[in-house]
Amino acid sequence: QQQVKQSPQSLIVQKGGISIINCAYENTAFDYFPWYQQFPGKGPALLIAIRPDVSEKKEGRFTISFNKSAKQFSLHIMDSQPGDSATYFCAANGGWTGGGNKLTFGTGTQLKVEL
Amino acid sequence: DAGVTQSPTHLIKTRGQQVTLRCSPKSGHDTVSWYQQALGQGPQFIFQYYEEEERQRGNFPDRFSGHQFPNYSSELNVNALLLGDSALYLCASSSRMTRGQETQYFGPGTRLLVL
Repeated sequence: QQQVKQSPQSLIVQKGGISIINCAYENTAFDYFPWYQQFPGKGPALLIAIRPDVSEKKEGRFTISFNKSAKQFSLHIMDSQPGDSATYFCAANGGWTGGGNKLTFGTGTQLKVEL
Repeated sequence: DAGVTQSPTHLIKTRGQQVTLRCSPKSGHDTVSWYQQALGQGPQFIFQYYEEEERQRGNFPDRFSGHQFPNYSSELNVNALLLGDSALYLCASSSRMTRGQETQYFGPGTRLLVL
């Protein structure tokens, strides 16, 4: 049973544009939602994370928007650059009281930023 | 400050063999989680160790086992290798001092190919 659904599977954005990736979860016990960036042959790198008590978090060009009632969250990459071309994963974690301290990942979005 | 390190980087084995992968967590971290990432998919949680014991386990058979040493480093062992075990094996470290241990930092991974 997939608990975190991610879309789109792939995304092409022009340089300077906004990249938007969406995720939806089912388990209401999740209380921590990180995004990871992964380049080919490398491990995932933590980008930004949010908890359900806030609706938005911004760090540089990266923003997470969170809708607790809809059980959805999204990553916005402003002013997208060719160096942002990578695979992005959303994830969720319920901690020890929410089903165990393990990350449940989405299926990934392959982002390509064109010049 | 060294990040999460893993060894070896690549490994080729044949069906039925056994393999051991190694991980050293970030300085100051005491918890190690292991994930399996098949090609084109998101990482899947295998298990987690702290205080030298397995604390949480995902949906993986007993052929997958692990160990954590007093210095917090960890090993992942896979017995009776199957072709389907071919994947990138990721180690993630975290600290029990952070709320709920949710923030996990990944190493570069070990690419295992089973022939």
